Amino acid sequence: NAGVTQTPKFQVLKTGQSMTLQCAQDMNHNSMYWYRQDPGMGLRLIYYSASEGTTDKGEVPNGYNVSRLNKREFSLRLESAAPSQTSVYFCAIATGKVVNTEAFFGQGTRLTVV
Amino acid sequence: GQQLNQSPQSMFIQEGEDVSMNCTSSSIFNTWLWYKQDPGEGPVLLIALYKAGELTSNGRLTAQFGITRKDSFLNISASIPSDVGIYFCAASSGNTPLVFGKGTRLSVIA
Repeated sequence: NAGVTQTPKFQVLKTGQSMTLQCAQDMNHNSMYWYRQDPGMGLRLIYYSASEGTTDKGEVPNGYNVSRLNKREFSLRLESAAPSQTSVYFCAIATGKVVNTEAFFGQGTRLTVV
Repeated sequence: GQQLNQSPQSMFIQEGEDVSMNCTSSSIFNTWLWYKQDPGEGPVLLIALYKAGELTSNGRLTAQFGITRKDSFLNISASIPSDVGIYFCAASSGNTPLVFGKGTRLSVIA
């Protein structure tokens, strides 16, 4: 039972390149989230999905797109990477008895844009 | 948007000392949570609080949900080296995803 699996774990991109970060869960929860973590900034929400087929913007959505094609998978796409998108990206699911609580995190994807 | 003010930003303590950190906000929340992040890992949930005034313990950790629903604190008693890491508070009003504080970096000197 892996919980939340993120791929890749590390990635280096050149400015302007595109890539998709993958996230898959095996815990059968509806809500999934993408956060980015930067030094001294805590975790900031990029996008979230309350259920299959729905997505909503978070605090810092610019430069990103997401896709929730099924209950298990929630992907984050960078269409044209910029150095400001160098960060650690975390996918999470909500496992609490109350909606939107008790986020369970993946191991993270460490992205560097040069 | 909703923001959480977490303090202190960092702490250096001697092994065996007690630790206290807190989070405040101008917004009211229905849930407060505390997470710990080890280097190279994702945050892991330590304690979840669902009721104003609630005081909950998890081993050497104790957390409280403020009565005004605008704050929470986390205490760690008798710190040990493995307590090193970044501690985050988080909160939700139910109809919005969790918001996180900026973290408290804890260093323990043996």
